[in-house]
Amino acid sequence: GENVEQHPSTLSVQEGDSAVIKCTYSDSASNYFPWYKQELGKRPQLIIDIRSNVGEKKDQRIAVTLNKTAKHFSLHITETQPEDSAVYFCAASFSSGSARQLTFGSGTQLTVLP
Amino acid sequence: KAGVTQTPRYLIKTRGQQVTLSCSPISGHRSVSWYQQTPGQGLQFLFEYFSETQRNKGNFPGRFSGRQFSNSRSEMNVSTLELGDSALYLCASIAQGASGELFFGEGSRLTVL
Repeated sequence: GENVEQHPSTLSVQEGDSAVIKCTYSDSASNYFPWYKQELGKRPQLIIDIRSNVGEKKDQRIAVTLNKTAKHFSLHITETQPEDSAVYFCAASFSSGSARQLTFGSGTQLTVLP
Repeated sequence: KAGVTQTPRYLIKTRGQQVTLSCSPISGHRSVSWYQQTPGQGLQFLFEYFSETQRNKGNFPGRFSGRQFSNSRSEMNVSTLELGDSALYLCASIAQGASGELFFGEGSRLTVL
């Protein structure tokens, strides 16, 4: 089955700096790669996703890049703010239609220092 | 539009007991999936249901089961509880169409004593 590795497990940055979280996946058939943000005591929420036919996607301060050949994808957050502090999870899945069986990475605790 | 609703939010059980958790998806969503979240194992896929049929199943023992009703509401059951079953159980409602985005509920936090 699919295996997703996520690094680093913790990341501290100064407010205004950039943060990068990296994930690798094992199943070359995976074609959907979402990123979730989970604040303390709250539900995971989708912040951005990318499909295997796209190499990069950006949404304001957040961007995701995908390298299918190397089977890795990364989350980039620019101009970090204290409210970006949370646990971030990457995930991968092979999806057919709307079917979803996500395999998650182990999470990255991001702390943005004021 | 109401989000994904899970009940109960918190519960405490003892080893050997069984538990049933409930999930009401976003109106119009027919797919529901369940995940177990623990500090040690992270988020792990349990199963997915669509139109009352289990479509995918994760690598969990048979003590974990689920079902979906005709109104898309779903339940999961864990029998013969073990200490290691203590976790946050998250239900996710899956958007229709190409996006397939998962919308998570707040979860049911199970503590097994």
